[in-house]
Amino acid sequence: KQEVTQIPAALSVPEGENLVLNCSFTDSAIYNLQWFRQDPGKGLTSLLLIQSSQREQTSGRLNASLDKSSGRSTLYIAASQPGDSATYLCAVRKGSTLGRLYFGRGTQLTVWP
Amino acid sequence: DGGITQSPKYLFRKEGQNVTLSCEQNLNHDAMYWYRQDPGQGLRLIYYSQIVNDFQKGDIAEGYSVSREKKESFPLTVTSAQKNPTAFYLCASSALGLAWDTDTQYFGPGTRLTVL
Repeated sequence: KQEVTQIPAALSVPEGENLVLNCSFTDSAIYNLQWFRQDPGKGLTSLLLIQSSQREQTSGRLNASLDKSSGRSTLYIAASQPGDSATYLCAVRKGSTLGRLYFGRGTQLTVWP
Repeated sequence: DGGITQSPKYLFRKEGQNVTLSCEQNLNHDAMYWYRQDPGQGLRLIYYSQIVNDFQKGDIAEGYSVSREKKESFPLTVTSAQKNPTAFYLCASSALGLAWDTDTQYFGPGTRLTVL
């Protein structure tokens, strides 16, 4: 069974810092990995999706990397802002016929002014 | 606007009652999913469906039931057999096709269920 772990569970930083969120998974036979953002009491918003054949994806101040062989991914947030405060969830997809995802517990990020 | 809607936003259930959570999507997606989220936990898959009139159990299906009579709708019933139903329930959908390896799941806003 695929296990997904996220470290740290919570992170509190001042505005402007660059930060790294970590995700590890036990089974490297994945099809893709996604990073999601969740605001309190809300649904999930997809931030980045990395295919298994890719090493990284970038969107604005966000950069996600994938090392499939070691079972690790990192989400890099540059120049953090208070609006980045949210929970960030990592999810991996296995299987060729259905987009079933396995989620980590998330990293709760607080960026203070 | 395309998207996924869930209703109600908040739901209260008395012990012994069955309740049904609604999920509708107008994205023309084939696959739909139901997840449960507890505080400080990741999402756990309850049921999923690839096609109309077909669905499979996820990791925590006991005490839940679903139907998929229409492509755009995937309601979840929380039965009285579910002993600890208080949680946040999220519905999602995704496309299944030639680009299956790049599809992303789109999530609804969620329903918070509380047992009184």
